[in-house]
Amino acid sequence: AQKVTQAQTEISVVEKEDVTLDCVYETRDTTYYLFWYKQPPSGELVFLIRRNSFDEQNEISGRYSWNFQKSTSSFNFTITASQVVDSAVYFCALRIEANFGNEKLTFGTGTRLTIIP
Amino acid sequence: EAGVAQSPRYKIIEKRQSVAFWCNPISGHATLYWYQQILGQGPKLLIQFQNNGVVDDSQLPKDRFSAERLKGVDSTLKIQPAKLEDSAVYLCASSRQDYNSPLHFGNGTRLTVT
Repeated sequence: AQKVTQAQTEISVVEKEDVTLDCVYETRDTTYYLFWYKQPPSGELVFLIRRNSFDEQNEISGRYSWNFQKSTSSFNFTITASQVVDSAVYFCALRIEANFGNEKLTFGTGTRLTIIP
Repeated sequence: EAGVAQSPRYKIIEKRQSVAFWCNPISGHATLYWYQQILGQGPKLLIQFQNNGVVDDSQLPKDRFSAERLKGVDSTLKIQPAKLEDSAVYLCASSRQDYNSPLHFGNGTRLTVT
């Protein structure tokens, strides 16, 4: 069975500080995909990034960066120079490449990030 | 491209009543999902459709929940009769038919059962 753990329930930082959201996953499959989604107060889940299990290169997109380490089964997300608009709940999710029809996305419990002006 | 459309946005009903939610996925997306998100938790998959066929409904409480996707496009999720613990946000998502395609979510329907 797949499992995603986001140990940080809530984080608050002052604007312009850097913040890292942790994600630890469990799966026995060798081929899988990891995702991060942002859920602002409006409720819609917004796709941020996808990473497959064979690509451990870190990725940077503007103020966002992701650190994927298979050795520790972690896929952490860092926001640099945080802004108030970054306030949201962030979800890490795991999808395995299993038999057809069994590729559902398993979500963590989310981390509520509050950026204090 | 237009996003995933859901309606209604909010719904308040009394326990034992019935309710239905509607979802229109992104055009061309073969896979459609219904997720339940209880306050403070991550979304939980209820049912997954591939075109108009069900491929995973293992976590759908079939004694009270039902869903259909006629003609492989729009979908409806129904709860009958509702219980207090069904209060949650019901999210519809769609994706292309391949493993690395991200899911695109609608705004959800917030259901309150009193």
